[in-house]
Order: sequence, then C-alpha cells, then structure tokens
Amino acid sequence: QKEVEQNSGPLSVPEGAIASLNCTYSDRGSQSFFWYRQYSGKSPELIMSIYSNGDKEDGRFTAQLNKASQYVSLLIRDSQPSDSATYLCAVNRLTGGGNKLTFGTGTQLKVEL
Amino acid sequence: DAGITQSPRHKVTETGTPVTLRCHQTENHRYMYWYRQDPGHGLRLIHYSYGVKDTDKGEVSDGYSVSRSKTEDFLLTLESATSSQTSVYFCAISESPRDAGELFFGEGSRLTVL
Repeated sequence: QKEVEQNSGPLSVPEGAIASLNCTYSDRGSQSFFWYRQYSGKSPELIMSIYSNGDKEDGRFTAQLNKASQYVSLLIRDSQPSDSATYLCAVNRLTGGGNKLTFGTGTQLKVEL
Repeated sequence: DAGITQSPRHKVTETGTPVTLRCHQTENHRYMYWYRQDPGHGLRLIHYSYGVKDTDKGEVSDGYSVSRSKTEDFLLTLESATSSQTSVYFCAISESPRDAGELFFGEGSRLTVL
C-alpha cells in the first residue's frame, strides 16, 4: 500500500463545474496536509494547506480533511481551463528524525470548454 | 514568487560522468531540499539541509551527495551518473520545520544520462 494514494486520472470536468480531487494516506500519525498544483513542464506550486479536521476555503478552492477516515480532498468550484494541471497531495508527519513529507503521484485534471 | 534558481536547466551526460546541479536562493530560508520526480513515483526526497554544512539523507539518497557551504547555495552531485538517475530534479526551500510541507520549488533541472 502506498503511503499517499491518488487516482492518476485524467479527471475531466466541464468548465464551470466543481472538480473533486481525493487523496488517502496510510499513516495515522500524519499531522499536516498540502495540495500542490503542477502545470505540465513546470514546478509544483503550493495552493492549499490544512492542519485540522474540517474544511478550509481559499477563493475557489476548498480543502477537506477527515483524519478518522484518513483522506483529504480538494474541491475546485467554477472550474476554469486554467485549472487544468496535475494536483499533488502531500502528507507530513513529524518523526524522531524530523519531518517526513510524502507526496502522492498526482491526479491530472482537465477542464473542458 | 520565491527567489530560487536552478542550474543547469537541462543537461545530457554519459554514464559514469560526474554531474553537479546547483540551487541558489535569495530568500535566506534555512531549509533546502533536493527532490527527483519520475513518472509513477511522484516527488521523492534525495537530500535536505537544515543549515550551512548541515545535511541529511532522504529516501532515495544512494548515488547522490550534497553540500551547503553558504545559506543561499545547495549543490547536488552525482559522482558517477547512471541511466537510472535520468529524471527531473527540483530544489525546494522552506522557512522552518514547522512549515516543512510548505515548500517553494525551483524551476527544475532535467537530466538525461545516456
């Protein structure tokens, strides 16, 4: 079982729809959670971080965390073609050796006109 | 945008040759990281640094070494490149261990080992 799992996609949604991206993790000791966006051929860019159960909203983006079920999701409202990218989930855990940040392999999102 | 530059951006080399990738930051962040990104594997940590001359191994450190003689520079060296080290390499920085997941990435360096 991978430590951080994401459906590779592609996930196709029409313009203006809500895109829902999901991520599950295996380590119950994980403490902080992040979503990165990566355009093709570019570097990852942090778009959301969430540290406690519940929802966190930032503009059109909402991150949702459920530690009991070990999943974190990202909702993108009013999806735009410019949202087409790969979205990486990252999970952090503080260990005796320091922080351990593990990335999923990403979900490709395509927003269609 | 965080001031991080990587060089070279693209490099083609032959098996057995040494390669050094450079990461330079202007943010004065204490923590610097080297990741590689491969299809099907996602981003994997190679080495990281928590201060000048303070470095540690990540999950895929075999075949790589690093050095940090100045706050702003973090070098990644492949002593003898192999084809399995063909990858895209990203440097990243963060301000503190408390925000260890909040990384700012450089543009990446694409390395091809023939």
